Amino acid sequence: DQQVKQNSPSLSVQEGRISILNCDYTNSMFDYFLWYKKYPAEGPTFLISISSIKDKNEDGRFTVFLNKSAKHLSLHIVPSQPGDSAVYFCAAFNQAGTALIFGKGTTLSVSS
Amino acid sequence: EPEVTQTPSHQVTQMGQEVILRCVPISNHLYFYWYRQILGQKVEFLVSFYNNEISEKSEIFDDQFSVERPDGSNFTLKIRSTKLEDSAMYFCASRGGGLEKLFFGSGTQLSVL
Repeated sequence: DQQVKQNSPSLSVQEGRISILNCDYTNSMFDYFLWYKKYPAEGPTFLISISSIKDKNEDGRFTVFLNKSAKHLSLHIVPSQPGDSAVYFCAAFNQAGTALIFGKGTTLSVSS
Repeated sequence: EPEVTQTPSHQVTQMGQEVILRCVPISNHLYFYWYRQILGQKVEFLVSFYNNEISEKSEIFDDQFSVERPDGSNFTLKIRSTKLEDSAMYFCASRGGGLEKLFFGSGTQLSVL
């Protein structure tokens, strides 16, 4: 069963607008979440993370929000740029910290 | 920035053959991982390795798979008898001591014919 869910396979936005990518998780014991960006034929690249003791973390154009009660997190990209076009994966460490579990990914397309 | 290095970038093999995928993690990292991604699908966890033993493995990581850290720098994934369904991109990753981000290599594309 999927412990980390990204229900939107794709998202299209215009350059300069906000991109919002969503992620849900099922295990309330997860307490550290990460977003990765991936281009074809390359490895995932770390973007931003958030610990469960926070509800927001910001790094430049990227902000991650965590709603623990809803078991939901989101990644906001403002403003979106064409170079942001990639697959974005939400991931969570399992309770023991021995595995990072990925969602299925959302393909973001930013048009100029 | 330090990198995780994987070799080869592409590997073609015949069904039933053994393959070894190689990785050089970042030098002061302690935790090592293998993941795979079948074309167009999710990045799937295979195995994690710490202190010279497996910490966790997924149901994909059956008896056909093994991992080894033969020296202080390399981390390998062996598939003993490859199947067609083993065709995928295999990623190695590593991290330091705390619960922190994983650094991924650029992957080995394995094609089983």
